[in-house]
Amino acid sequence: EPEVTQTPSHQVTQMGQEVILRCVPISNHLYFYWYRQILGQKVEFLVSFYNNEISEKSEIFDDQFSVERPDGSNFTLKIRSTKLEDSAMYFCAVKPPGADTQYFGPGTRLTVL
Amino acid sequence: GENVEQHPSTLSVQEGDSAVIKCTYSDSASNYFPWYKQELGKGPQLIIDIRSNVGEKKDQRIAVTLNKTAKHFSLHITETQPEDSAVYFCAVPSGGSYIPTFGRGTSLIVHP
Repeated sequence: EPEVTQTPSHQVTQMGQEVILRCVPISNHLYFYWYRQILGQKVEFLVSFYNNEISEKSEIFDDQFSVERPDGSNFTLKIRSTKLEDSAMYFCAVKPPGADTQYFGPGTRLTVL
Repeated sequence: GENVEQHPSTLSVQEGDSAVIKCTYSDSASNYFPWYKQELGKGPQLIIDIRSNVGEKKDQRIAVTLNKTAKHFSLHITETQPEDSAVYFCAVPSGGSYIPTFGRGTSLIVHP
């Protein structure tokens, strides 16, 4: 089973500030995903990233969000100007080639004050 | 898009009892159905999945059944233990996509 780590585990920021959340897959993967989960609610898809390009994105993933894989290893989610409603758990997931299954990281709790 | 309904939202059982959680979906082209377990403060972890070419799959105390005609699938946990207490999510990728739509989750509480 692929392992995924995420940093930081908890990020507290002021409204309007930029945050960068990081995902570090242990194995080499091509398919990456970001999800968010507002407290007590279901997991929601944000964006998928394949072969260094966005392949799909949801309505939530607006111009305030961006993703990149700057060094061929870390996979980052950037929120340019955080809003209170961005407070949530953010999960990275990876999918091995040829598999249907996605494997989730432990998440980053983002708190926007 | 895919519409996924999950029931019940909360399930409370005594240790040793069985628990059943059901999900219905709308896209008849969907062919992969995973179940995730989420413990407090952690990410969802895959516990079992099923593909549309089979009707049932078992892994020790956990089983998943699929009725493609009726478009629903269920998670069965037998001989529940306190460590089974968690939130369980079904997920359904729409046909042709790997992006799953998650159910709203079921909070399972197993009382010792």
